[in-house]
Amino acid sequence: DAKTTQPPSMDCAEGRAANLPCNHSTISGNEYVYWYRQIHSQGPQYIIHGLKNNETNEMASLIITEDRKSSTLILPHATLRDTAVYYCIVRVYGQNFVFGPGTRLSVLP
Amino acid sequence: AAGVIQSPRHLIKEKRETATLKCYPIPRHDTVYWYQQGPGQDPQFLISFYEKMQSDKGSIPDRFSAQQFSDYHSELNMSSLELGDSALYFCASSLRDGSRVEGGNYGYTFGSGTRLTVV
Repeated sequence: DAKTTQPPSMDCAEGRAANLPCNHSTISGNEYVYWYRQIHSQGPQYIIHGLKNNETNEMASLIITEDRKSSTLILPHATLRDTAVYYCIVRVYGQNFVFGPGTRLSVLP
Repeated sequence: AAGVIQSPRHLIKEKRETATLKCYPIPRHDTVYWYQQGPGQDPQFLISFYEKMQSDKGSIPDRFSAQQFSDYHSELNMSSLELGDSALYFCASSLRDGSRVEGGNYGYTFGSGTRLTVV
């Protein structure tokens, strides 16, 4: 079973920041937080991951709380092409990814 | 960077037939994973291989089998197909130690999937 809790859906206006929350209150010390997204029926796409420090790459930023029990994925300037299901997953290296329901993000014009 | 290649993209089979799906991982990736995604569902882990040996097994039916070959490509064999097997089948690859190949990422890289329709 997935170890994370995400809102089922969110809307965001085009050009605005999209902030997607994730709760992982039972995360263990060696588990990383990963974010993937799936656009329509395409293969899931890696976005970003982190352990305890905030991370940023060309796609997004990941903010992890100090107690590591929750995190937020930030898409700084959402576009229509960011409409997708976003999955927050916790796992240790070597474990398989377990996908939960995710958050369906709709970017509105 | 090179991606994970899956073939075929689409496959239509009749009940009780067999199907073989193929996956070619990113060069130098040592681990391959198979996932099944039914209509309106989330991807479900089936099975994985590391260095040609089965490394983990998920909710894979006994009618399905898979293997990884010496060139690291993998095949998922499905027999006695049922209507409920209709789904998207994704293959993913990675480096088991969590590192990445140049131009790649630190997680799994998924292929575009094979859409299997059983009629």
